[in-house]
Amino acid sequence: DIQMTQSPSSLSASVGDRVTITCRASQGISSYLNWYQQKPGKAPKVLIFAASSLQSGVPSRFSGGGSGTDFTLTISSLQPEDFATYYCQQSYSVPWTFGQGTKMEIK
Amino acid sequence: EVQLVESGGGLVQPGGSLRLSCAASGFTFSRYWMSWVRQAPGKGLEWVANIKEDGSEKYYVDSVKGRFTISRDNAKNSMYLQMNSLRAEDTAVYYCARAAITVTSYYYFMDVWGKGTTVTVSS
Repeated sequence: DIQMTQSPSSLSASVGDRVTITCRASQGISSYLNWYQQKPGKAPKVLIFAASSLQSGVPSRFSGGGSGTDFTLTISSLQPEDFATYYCQQSYSVPWTFGQGTKMEIK
Repeated sequence: EVQLVESGGGLVQPGGSLRLSCAASGFTFSRYWMSWVRQAPGKGLEWVANIKEDGSEKYYVDSVKGRFTISRDNAKNSMYLQMNSLRAEDTAVYYCARAAITVTSYYYFMDVWGKGTTVTVSS
């Protein structure tokens, strides 16, 4: 199974900050990497698919990068509604696996 | 409106069974792979199973193999998860999700999610 490791596990930031979350795969997964946002009590929502493609309707302050084993999710200017938990997920091979999540909190 | 609605969750004793349903609307259900994803209380997301558009291929996470069965009825725009021999560690919110695919390169991602149904396994 492919293990996905996110860092950091939690992040304290302020509105307007630029933040980057990292996701590392235990083996190469090309660009088969997706990013999801989840707010408490809600279903996840896809932000980025295929490592760097922005899902329709997602604000352009979100961007993704990377290929192979190392990936990033960047939020260029944090907004109040961005405080949530973020997960990476690989769809290179089954079982599909998620990172452990990065909880973003208000500083 | 594209929508997925889960049902069938509840409280069940260890060793018991439960059948979850996922009703799809607003899109051509038979053209998509579908997934089940779960989330234990206070924990992260865990992919559980996938089923191909026509039901001919099914994949499971190791922890549920031999106990859970994913199926679908395209005539009813519905997907199911039959859960047998339930354990305390199966306690979670279960989400159904649509697995979209990019036009080129076959990148899969889960683009539509239901609100989830809660399964509690406890005596």
